[in-house]
Amino acid sequence: EVQLVESGGGLVQPGGSLRLSCAASGFTFSDYSVNWVRQAPGKGLEWVSYIGGGGSTTTWYAESVKGRFSISRDNAQNSLFLQMNSLRAEDTAVYHCVRDVDYAFKDWGQGTLVTVSS
Amino acid sequence: QSALTQPPSASGSPGQSVTISCTGTSSDVGAYNYVSWYQQHPGKVPKLMIYEVSKRPSGVPDRFSGSKSGNTASLTVSGLQADDEADYSCTSYAGSSWVFGGGTKLTVL
Repeated sequence: EVQLVESGGGLVQPGGSLRLSCAASGFTFSDYSVNWVRQAPGKGLEWVSYIGGGGSTTTWYAESVKGRFSISRDNAQNSLFLQMNSLRAEDTAVYHCVRDVDYAFKDWGQGTLVTVSS
Repeated sequence: QSALTQPPSASGSPGQSVTISCTGTSSDVGAYNYVSWYQQHPGKVPKLMIYEVSKRPSGVPDRFSGSKSGNTASLTVSGLQADDEADYSCTSYAGSSWVFGGGTKLTVL
Protein backbone atom coordinates (compact mmCIF):
# COMPACT_ATOMS: atom_id res chain seq x y z
CA GLU A 1 0.00 0.00 0.00
CA VAL A 2 1.34 3.41 -0.98
CA GLN A 3 1.79 5.69 2.01
CA LEU A 4 2.90 9.31 2.04
CA VAL A 5 3.25 10.99 5.43
CA GLU A 6 4.01 14.68 5.67
CA SER A 7 5.49 16.52 8.62
CA GLY A 8 7.06 19.85 9.49
CA GLY A 9 4.09 22.17 9.28
CA GLY A 10 3.29 24.75 11.91
CA LEU A 11 2.88 28.44 12.69
CA VAL A 12 5.50 30.79 11.26
CA GLN A 13 5.73 34.56 11.03
CA PRO A 14 5.65 36.35 7.66
CA GLY A 15 9.12 36.33 6.17
CA GLY A 16 10.05 33.18 8.05
CA SER A 17 11.12 29.75 6.84
CA LEU A 18 9.88 26.21 7.22
CA ARG A 19 10.99 22.83 5.90
CA LEU A 20 8.40 20.19 5.10
CA SER A 21 9.18 16.49 4.86
CA CYS A 22 7.33 13.56 3.33
CA ALA A 23 8.11 9.93 4.15
CA ALA A 24 7.15 7.54 1.38
CA SER A 25 6.57 3.80 1.54
CA GLY A 26 4.84 1.02 -0.37
CA PHE A 27 6.51 1.72 -3.71
CA THR A 28 9.98 2.19 -5.19
CA PHE A 29 10.29 5.86 -4.32
CA SER A 30 13.25 6.58 -6.59
CA ASP A 31 11.33 5.49 -9.69
CA TYR A 32 8.58 8.08 -9.40
CA SER A 33 8.19 11.81 -9.71
CA VAL A 34 6.58 13.51 -6.72
CA ASN A 35 4.96 16.84 -6.11
CA TRP A 36 3.73 19.24 -3.46
CA VAL A 37 0.13 20.36 -3.86
CA ARG A 38 -1.47 22.77 -1.40
CA GLN A 39 -4.98 23.76 -0.40
CA ALA A 40 -5.69 26.99 1.44
CA PRO A 41 -8.53 26.84 3.98
CA GLY A 42 -11.86 26.71 2.12
CA LYS A 43 -10.13 27.12 -1.23
CA GLY A 44 -9.23 24.98 -4.23
CA LEU A 45 -6.16 22.89 -4.92
CA GLU A 46 -2.95 24.52 -6.15
CA TRP A 47 0.06 22.69 -7.57
CA VAL A 48 3.26 23.96 -5.96
CA SER A 49 6.29 22.00 -7.12
CA TYR A 50 7.52 18.86 -8.93
CA ILE A 51 10.67 16.79 -8.80
CA GLY A 52 11.44 14.09 -11.32
CA GLY A 53 12.06 10.43 -10.60
CA GLY A 54 13.93 7.64 -12.30
CA GLY A 55 17.26 9.44 -12.01
CA SER A 56 15.92 12.78 -13.25
CA THR A 57 16.86 15.91 -11.31
CA THR A 58 14.27 18.09 -13.01
CA THR A 59 12.39 20.49 -10.75
CA TRP A 60 9.47 22.74 -11.57
CA TYR A 61 7.74 25.42 -9.51
CA ALA A 62 4.51 27.38 -9.63
CA GLU A 63 5.07 31.06 -10.38
CA SER A 64 3.65 31.93 -6.96
CA VAL A 65 6.52 30.20 -5.15
CA LYS A 66 9.38 30.41 -7.63
CA GLY A 67 12.52 31.80 -6.02
CA ARG A 68 11.18 31.21 -2.50
CA PHE A 69 10.56 27.45 -2.32
CA SER A 70 12.98 24.63 -3.09
CA ILE A 71 12.04 20.98 -3.61
CA SER A 72 14.46 18.11 -3.05
CA ARG A 73 14.46 14.38 -2.43
CA ASP A 74 16.59 11.75 -0.69
CA ASN A 75 15.98 8.44 -2.44
CA ALA A 76 18.06 6.53 0.10
CA GLN A 77 15.69 7.70 2.83
CA ASN A 78 12.53 7.55 0.66
CA SER A 79 11.91 11.17 1.52
CA LEU A 80 10.71 14.34 -0.17
CA PHE A 81 11.33 17.84 1.13
CA LEU A 82 10.09 21.36 0.57
CA GLN A 83 12.18 24.25 1.86
CA MET A 84 9.97 27.31 2.13
CA ASN A 85 11.55 30.73 2.61
CA SER A 86 10.17 34.29 2.70
CA LEU A 87 6.78 32.94 3.67
CA ARG A 88 3.69 35.06 3.12
CA ALA A 89 0.18 34.98 4.53
CA GLU A 90 -1.06 33.62 1.20
CA ASP A 91 1.14 30.54 1.66
CA THR A 92 -1.13 29.42 4.49
CA ALA A 93 -2.49 26.03 3.43
CA VAL A 94 -2.43 22.28 3.93
CA TYR A 95 0.54 20.97 1.96
CA HIS A 96 0.15 17.51 0.43
CA CYS A 97 2.89 15.22 -0.83
CA VAL A 98 1.60 13.60 -4.02
CA ARG A 99 2.94 10.87 -6.29
CA ASP A 100 2.14 11.47 -9.92
CA VAL A 101 1.64 8.74 -12.49
CA ASP A 102 0.84 9.45 -16.14
CA TYR A 103 0.72 13.20 -15.42
CA ALA A 104 -2.04 12.72 -12.83
CA PHE A 105 -1.89 13.04 -9.04
CA LYS A 106 -2.51 9.45 -8.07
CA ASP A 107 -1.51 9.06 -4.43
CA TRP A 108 -1.90 11.75 -1.77
CA GLY A 109 -0.64 12.17 1.75
CA GLN A 110 -2.94 13.52 4.45
CA GLY A 111 -1.09 16.81 4.44
CA THR A 112 0.56 19.13 6.93
CA LEU A 113 -0.84 22.55 7.84
CA VAL A 114 1.32 25.62 7.38
CA THR A 115 0.03 28.84 8.94
CA VAL A 116 1.80 32.10 8.18
CA SER A 117 0.70 34.76 10.64
CA SER A 118 2.11 37.28 13.07
CA GLN B 1 -0.55 29.85 -14.85
CA SER B 2 -4.17 31.02 -14.65
CA ALA B 3 -6.58 28.64 -12.99
CA LEU B 4 -8.91 26.52 -15.10
CA THR B 5 -12.54 27.63 -14.99
CA GLN B 6 -15.14 25.39 -13.38
CA PRO B 7 -18.71 26.22 -12.35
CA PRO B 8 -18.83 26.70 -8.57
CA SER B 9 -21.77 24.36 -8.20
CA ALA B 10 -23.73 21.60 -9.93
CA SER B 11 -26.61 19.43 -8.85
CA GLY B 12 -28.78 16.51 -9.84
CA SER B 13 -31.24 14.04 -8.41
CA PRO B 14 -30.39 10.42 -7.64
CA GLY B 15 -30.17 8.40 -10.82
CA GLN B 16 -29.70 11.43 -13.05
CA SER B 17 -26.56 12.47 -14.90
CA VAL B 18 -24.61 15.66 -14.37
CA THR B 19 -21.72 17.12 -16.35
CA ILE B 20 -19.09 19.46 -14.95
CA SER B 21 -17.02 21.56 -17.32
CA CYS B 22 -13.41 22.67 -17.02
CA THR B 23 -12.25 25.39 -19.38
CA GLY B 24 -8.63 26.23 -19.97
CA THR B 25 -6.57 27.55 -22.84
CA SER B 26 -4.57 26.33 -25.81
CA SER B 27 -1.55 26.20 -23.48
CA ASP B 28 -3.01 23.66 -21.09
CA VAL B 29 -6.27 21.75 -21.70
CA GLY B 30 -6.11 22.32 -25.44
CA ALA B 31 -2.45 21.40 -25.73
CA TYR B 32 -2.23 18.15 -23.81
CA ASN B 33 -4.34 15.05 -23.20
CA TYR B 34 -3.32 15.17 -19.57
CA VAL B 35 -6.52 16.34 -17.93
CA SER B 36 -7.43 14.63 -14.67
CA TRP B 37 -10.34 14.90 -12.24
CA TYR B 38 -10.43 14.57 -8.44
CA GLN B 39 -13.22 13.92 -5.98
CA GLN B 40 -12.88 15.37 -2.49
CA HIS B 41 -15.29 14.74 0.35
CA PRO B 42 -15.22 17.24 3.25
CA GLY B 43 -12.16 16.76 5.40
CA LYS B 44 -10.77 14.07 3.13
CA VAL B 45 -7.87 13.81 0.73
CA PRO B 46 -8.57 14.23 -3.02
CA LYS B 47 -9.13 10.99 -4.93
CA LEU B 48 -8.14 10.56 -8.56
CA MET B 49 -11.24 9.71 -10.62
CA ILE B 50 -10.16 10.31 -14.23
CA TYR B 51 -6.74 10.70 -15.85
CA GLU B 52 -5.54 11.35 -19.40
CA VAL B 53 -8.92 12.94 -20.18
CA SER B 54 -11.02 9.77 -20.09
CA LYS B 55 -9.22 6.90 -18.35
CA ARG B 56 -10.48 5.53 -15.05
CA PRO B 57 -8.12 4.21 -12.36
CA SER B 58 -8.84 0.76 -11.03
CA GLY B 59 -11.77 0.84 -8.62
CA VAL B 60 -13.48 3.95 -9.98
CA PRO B 61 -17.02 3.12 -11.14
CA ASP B 62 -17.78 3.43 -14.85
CA ARG B 63 -20.50 5.91 -13.89
CA PHE B 64 -17.68 8.44 -14.02
CA SER B 65 -16.50 9.44 -17.48
CA GLY B 66 -14.37 12.18 -18.97
CA SER B 67 -14.04 13.89 -22.32
CA LYS B 68 -12.43 16.89 -23.96
CA SER B 69 -13.21 19.20 -26.83
CA GLY B 70 -10.81 21.97 -27.68
CA ASN B 71 -9.93 23.90 -24.55
CA THR B 72 -12.76 22.44 -22.46
CA ALA B 73 -12.77 19.16 -20.57
CA SER B 74 -15.82 17.60 -18.97
CA LEU B 75 -16.60 15.12 -16.23
CA THR B 76 -19.91 13.29 -16.41
CA VAL B 77 -21.35 11.43 -13.45
CA SER B 78 -24.16 9.10 -14.45
CA GLY B 79 -26.64 7.36 -12.19
CA LEU B 80 -26.03 9.87 -9.39
CA GLN B 81 -25.73 8.41 -5.91
CA ALA B 82 -25.76 10.13 -2.53
CA ASP B 83 -22.08 9.43 -2.01
CA ASP B 84 -21.22 11.31 -5.20
CA GLU B 85 -21.91 14.55 -3.32
CA ALA B 86 -18.47 16.10 -3.05
CA ASP B 87 -16.15 18.72 -4.51
CA TYR B 88 -14.73 17.92 -7.95
CA SER B 89 -11.58 19.55 -9.29
CA CYS B 90 -9.93 19.30 -12.68
CA THR B 91 -6.29 19.78 -13.48
CA SER B 92 -4.26 19.93 -16.65
CA TYR B 93 -0.59 19.54 -17.37
CA ALA B 94 0.61 22.82 -18.87
CA GLY B 95 4.18 22.09 -19.83
CA SER B 96 6.55 22.12 -16.82
CA SER B 97 3.61 22.87 -14.54
CA TRP B 98 0.06 21.89 -13.68
CA VAL B 99 -2.95 24.13 -13.31
CA PHE B 100 -6.06 23.32 -11.28
CA GLY B 101 -9.63 24.46 -11.60
CA GLY B 102 -11.32 26.22 -8.71
CA GLY B 103 -13.51 23.22 -7.93
CA THR B 104 -17.21 22.41 -8.33
CA LYS B 105 -19.44 21.44 -5.45
CA LEU B 106 -21.76 18.67 -6.63
CA THR B 107 -24.98 18.37 -4.68
CA VAL B 108 -27.21 15.31 -4.94
CA LEU B 109 -30.72 16.61 -4.37
